[in-house]
Amino acid sequence: DTAVSQTPKYLVTQMGNDKSIKCEQNLGHDTMYWYKQDSKKFLKIMFSYNNKELIINETVPNRFSPKSPDKAHLNLHINSLELGDSAVYFCASSTRQGAYYEQYFGPGTRLTVT
Amino acid sequence: DQQVKQNSPSLSVQEGRISILNCDYTNSMFDYFLWYKKYPAEGPTFLISISSIKDKNEDGRFTVFLNKSAKHLSLHIVPSQPGDSAVYFCAAHVAGAQKLVFGQGTRLTINP
Repeated sequence: DTAVSQTPKYLVTQMGNDKSIKCEQNLGHDTMYWYKQDSKKFLKIMFSYNNKELIINETVPNRFSPKSPDKAHLNLHINSLELGDSAVYFCASSTRQGAYYEQYFGPGTRLTVT
Repeated sequence: DQQVKQNSPSLSVQEGRISILNCDYTNSMFDYFLWYKKYPAEGPTFLISISSIKDKNEDGRFTVFLNKSAKHLSLHIVPSQPGDSAVYFCAAHVAGAQKLVFGQGTRLTINP
């Protein structure tokens, strides 16, 4: 059973399009995150949600809009895609109980904007 | 402004020997430090962590050392095995913010 899953795994699209990436976790965690790994391989946090409430928004352009329909899902919608959005996007989750600092990552979605 | 740095992009070690991966940080507000392992086309997998009030944590072949005065931590893998070949990320948890700050990773290659 996959703990944190993302769909799609690969996404190729043209500039100007709108696309969404979905994330689901079955760990019973209450906090979910989106990270971006750019071409230089840095993993940087974009957003975090706790119980469907936005907690962290790290100066991400407002073309990126996270949506959390429930605490097991955190989707990322991107409007008007730009070349610079090409990256690998990772979803992660954690709990506020016990080992609150550990985050569990999904397999990533490689987005290529042409 | 990179608060967590891994200055070695790659490391090559003979199977059976010790692998030492290093990480430096600048922010004193981190309460935990973590190491993640990443294989190609997969997400990072949690490996081991250490509290900022400890100086050592051991789990099987993996030991993490923390030197707070030098703002430096290291991951020791002994003995190194071929399956350890991966990219290793150092991460620091920001106290109260439930957010991880990552280093840029070190690619470890274990040679038979």
